[in-house]
Amino acid sequence: KAGVTQTPRYLIKTRGQQVTLSCSPISGHRSVSWYQQTPGQGLQFLFEYFSETQRNKGNFPGRFSGRQFSNSRSEMNVSTLELGDSALYLCASSLGAANTEAFFGQGTRLTVV
Amino acid sequence: GDSVTQMEGPVTLSEEAFLTINCTYTATGYPSLFWYVQYPGEGLQLLLKATKADDKGSNKGFEATYRKETTSFHLEKGSVQVSDSAVYFCALTTKTSYDKVIFGPGTSLSVIP
Repeated sequence: KAGVTQTPRYLIKTRGQQVTLSCSPISGHRSVSWYQQTPGQGLQFLFEYFSETQRNKGNFPGRFSGRQFSNSRSEMNVSTLELGDSALYLCASSLGAANTEAFFGQGTRLTVV
Repeated sequence: GDSVTQMEGPVTLSEEAFLTINCTYTATGYPSLFWYVQYPGEGLQLLLKATKADDKGSNKGFEATYRKETTSFHLEKGSVQVSDSAVYFCALTTKTSYDKVIFGPGTSLSVIP
């Protein structure tokens, strides 16, 4: 079956703009999580959605937001982009039960100039 | 809070050498433990997992044993190949964190012919 699909793969934006990233989970998976990966901070958890509800949230400012649709697809939005938001954004999907494994997409590489 | 510590490297080995990447964790309760691998330009792939004490996860010649008494989950491989060059992440989830994966900083491995 198809894996986790993230679009777009690459994105270049200007400071102050906003951006929306998309993630389509594996069919049947109801949980979608988002992570930010940077060389300095490593992999940091942004938030997790399950059945259209945010169930868990990391320590990121309110400029980072997300949502999940009824078909489990998820979007992540970053408003008022800063240079420090340049990163690889990874999406993971899972069945949503405790301690089930997460499957990751290839990520969206966001560059803010 | 829950956390994962691992040797950061970079680690450089000759082909067919023995590999050990150390990983220790701090968590409440009984976490599930994972090793993920990230090849250049790619997302994360689950390499192996263990969900309870003394479990041994194994895949593609890699092994790791869940040691509750030492809170460790060290990754080993008897004979590495050039194709194993990648970044390896030790990670955990807990029952109370739902699908939030807590990652270590990652260990970069380079295998030279």
